[in-house]
Amino acid sequence: SQTIHQWPATLVQPVGSPLSLECTVEGTSNPNLYWYRQAAGRGLQLLFYSVGIGQISSEVPQNLSASRPQDRQFILSSKKLLLSDSGFYLCAWSVPGEKLFFGSGTQLSVL
Amino acid sequence: KQEVTQIPAALSVPEGENLVLNCSFTDSAIYNLQWFRQDPGKGLTSLLLIQSSQREQTSGRLNASLDKSSGRSTLYIAASQPGDSATYLCAVRPSTSGTYKYIFGTGTRLKVLA
Repeated sequence: SQTIHQWPATLVQPVGSPLSLECTVEGTSNPNLYWYRQAAGRGLQLLFYSVGIGQISSEVPQNLSASRPQDRQFILSSKKLLLSDSGFYLCAWSVPGEKLFFGSGTQLSVL
Repeated sequence: KQEVTQIPAALSVPEGENLVLNCSFTDSAIYNLQWFRQDPGKGLTSLLLIQSSQREQTSGRLNASLDKSSGRSTLYIAASQPGDSATYLCAVRPSTSGTYKYIFGTGTRLKVLA
């Protein structure tokens, strides 16, 4: 069966520090991968999605970036965090025509 | 640009009541629509997926319908229980060629009172 791992669950970082969130999927090949952010009281905002290794589509211009170094690994990064980067970050995967599955999320607080 | 709206934003009902959650989308050119449940501080759990060619999907006490032409979907929950308390979100995947993203509504926060 397919599973998705996302870590860490909670992260507190100072403004200006770097960020690296990792997500891995098991039990499937060539999935579409997604990073969403959910700010308090707001909906899910799509940040990046990827349909293959090295293929990244950015939905929101900001100081975040994403990479897909392996088929089932998706990484969200920042060189310098801003206060506005605080939020709940969710990784997800799907195969075309099928359901979208989410990881358990990372609560990021930038202080 | 596709926009997804969910009304009401919050709903409180007594246990045992049947209820309907609404999801509206502005562009009928969709590939599929999915309903999710989110518990506080947790990720989203997929409930039902409706392909654009389908009218409804059922799973246990849940029934989701889709009317593409009117840009609407409903999630029907029968005999609600306190354990159904959560935020329910819908998401559409546009059928635009090469688009693999899902666009979410802001959710309906449901509270079922014992």
